[in-house]
Amino acid sequence: EVQLVESGGGLVQPGRSLRLSCAASGFSFDDYAMHWVRQIPGKGLEWVSGISWNGGITGYADSVKGRFTISRDNAKNSLYLQMNSLRAEDTALYYCAKDIKRGIYGDFDYWGQGTLVTVSS
Amino acid sequence: QSVLTQPPSASGTPGQRVTISCSGSSSNIGRNTVNWYQQLPGTAPKLLIYSNNQRPSGVPDRFSGSKSGTSASLAISGLQSEDEADYYCAAWDDSLNGPVFGGGTKLTVL
Repeated sequence: EVQLVESGGGLVQPGRSLRLSCAASGFSFDDYAMHWVRQIPGKGLEWVSGISWNGGITGYADSVKGRFTISRDNAKNSLYLQMNSLRAEDTALYYCAKDIKRGIYGDFDYWGQGTLVTVSS
Repeated sequence: QSVLTQPPSASGTPGQRVTISCSGSSSNIGRNTVNWYQQLPGTAPKLLIYSNNQRPSGVPDRFSGSKSGTSASLAISGLQSEDEADYYCAAWDDSLNGPVFGGGTKLTVL
């Protein structure tokens, strides 16, 4: 059974940093691209970032480019999102999502339950 | 303001057929395939339709998808109370170089 478990969310002040993690199990992690997708509670979905199966290709939404960095450790079956210079508008539930392919195609077939990030002073 | 446009709400009675539309442009739906996601209250999204009209294993054939030009549709036949959820369309956008979503449609089963 595919499982994606996010962690690392919490309350953080504007301008500070936070690192999210996603522990994957139940599939060959190093065969698939992975993504972070966020959702403001009660609102719609927004793709944040994606990384190819071997980490060679990454992509970012314009809203986070230059501030967020996605990475993965295939030996640990883990995905990460380093979030710097956080803003109030980054407040959201952050989902880890698995792609159906090796490349960043944005076809999400499994999602975690999310970790909540709140940016506030 | 979402890149893909969906009606904010839709409704139907049990047993009815309901369709949800998704409008995009030549840089997204016009050139790439469309996925649909179902988000039940308080849960994570679930892939419902991929590649315009393909159902993952376990998704009932009451759900179907189609695409024409820069628009796509999700149809739900034999509507059931458990279908009450938010539905999102999504597609890769060649201009933005990333996947984009519709704003979501809240389906109510009357």
